[in-house]
Amino acid sequence: KAGVTQTPRYLIKTRGQQVTLSCSPISGHRSVSWYQQTPGQGLQFLFEYFSETQRNKGNFPGRFSGRQFSNSRSEMNVSTLELGDSALYLCASSHGQGLNNEQFFGPGTRLTVL
Amino acid sequence: KQEVTQIPAALSVPEGENLVLNCSFTDSAIYNLQWFRQDPGKGLTSLLLIQSSQREQTSGRLNASLDKSSGRSTLYIAASQPGDSATYLCAVKWGNFGNEKLTFGTGTRLTIIP
Repeated sequence: KAGVTQTPRYLIKTRGQQVTLSCSPISGHRSVSWYQQTPGQGLQFLFEYFSETQRNKGNFPGRFSGRQFSNSRSEMNVSTLELGDSALYLCASSHGQGLNNEQFFGPGTRLTVL
Repeated sequence: KQEVTQIPAALSVPEGENLVLNCSFTDSAIYNLQWFRQDPGKGLTSLLLIQSSQREQTSGRLNASLDKSSGRSTLYIAASQPGDSATYLCAVKWGNFGNEKLTFGTGTRLTIIP
């Protein structure tokens, strides 16, 4: 069974630009969650999608948005990039139903904002 | 506020030793706790998932315990090997049914000295 995949693996952008990251979950998983990892703040929850609906949202500004498609693939968009958005962006997938779902993470997308 | 703490931030031990990594959390009303490892610049690899009704889980040389009443979990690694060198993260799921959000500790960076 293929794992969680994320594309692209690396991105370099300049301030003010926007970026779209993609995540393909494990086959059969309907929940996709996104996290931002930085040396200073650690891993922080961005949002979670389940069956094409945003089910949970973390404390990030509206510049961070996402969506999920009918095949459970998810995209995350960051508009008007700031230097502080430089981070490793990780997505995780799970079945999304039941209380004790194990979450599986992708390799991440390393975003550098210059 | 629901928080997860991991102490120490870094740990070095000689190869072959047994070791214990610690994780503490506020609010004992957890649904589950998951241990991950992360290699530098990589995504997270799930090691063990402990459900709220369980006291421990084992996988190979790894054993994770959970004590909700004291708000603690430990990850025991037996007969450590250089390949065990990585950052170990614990993550807790709180919240209502259908909430896949994980709250992460800041991790313990483990170095096994050959």
